[in-house]
Amino acid sequence: GESVGLHLPTLSVQEGDNSIINCAYSNSASDYFIWYKQESGKGPQFIIDIRSNMDKRQGQRVTVLLNKTVKHLSLQIAATQPGDSAVYFCAENYNNAGNMLTFGGGTRLMVKP
Amino acid sequence: ETGVTQSPTHLIKTRGQQVTLRCSSQSGHNTVSWYQQALGQGPQFIFQYYREEENGRGNFPPRFSGLQFPNYSSELNVNALELDDSALYLCASSVQGANEKLFFGSGTQLSVL
Repeated sequence: GESVGLHLPTLSVQEGDNSIINCAYSNSASDYFIWYKQESGKGPQFIIDIRSNMDKRQGQRVTVLLNKTVKHLSLQIAATQPGDSAVYFCAENYNNAGNMLTFGGGTRLMVKP
Repeated sequence: ETGVTQSPTHLIKTRGQQVTLRCSSQSGHNTVSWYQQALGQGPQFIFQYYREEENGRGNFPPRFSGLQFPNYSSELNVNALELDDSALYLCASSVQGANEKLFFGSGTQLSVL
């Protein structure tokens, strides 16, 4: 399959450790944010989302934090597993007329067994 | 699996040719969006279709066009292919509305020689 993200920033973590992936978004008017995971040869897979009226949201093993003051988003993955190895993208939506997402550049997460 | 299917999975064309990519949306979804993902980058929004009409467009030239059919499936057409059009083309389906989740297919890898 196609290799995504050959020149992306890379985060390398040990299996079982927690991972934190950061993202700076561009538009202060953005009101909806999503984290996607993309494995090689596949399309982006939805992980978790957060609306601008919240600053934290938790899912299964994942937490998203939103800091609107500095336009910063982070994804925390607890007890990282080898299956979490992928490229992670944050995306923002600043157009309530539709679901037109603006994606960040992505971070490659590598989990060492 | 998201239920969004794209065809073909891979395609090779030469500069100046035309190409048509196809997408079947997830059951229950009425909106289709197309994204272009160059190697090592995040997806870039091309356009979105709802009720068989274009419902938003990114910064792409008119030689990128699309269609949506009554069954909500969609086509992306690119005329006068250029080398820089080589990319992974992703289709995403969703329900029309503000801040609705996008579900992506696995994409069509287009190579322009």
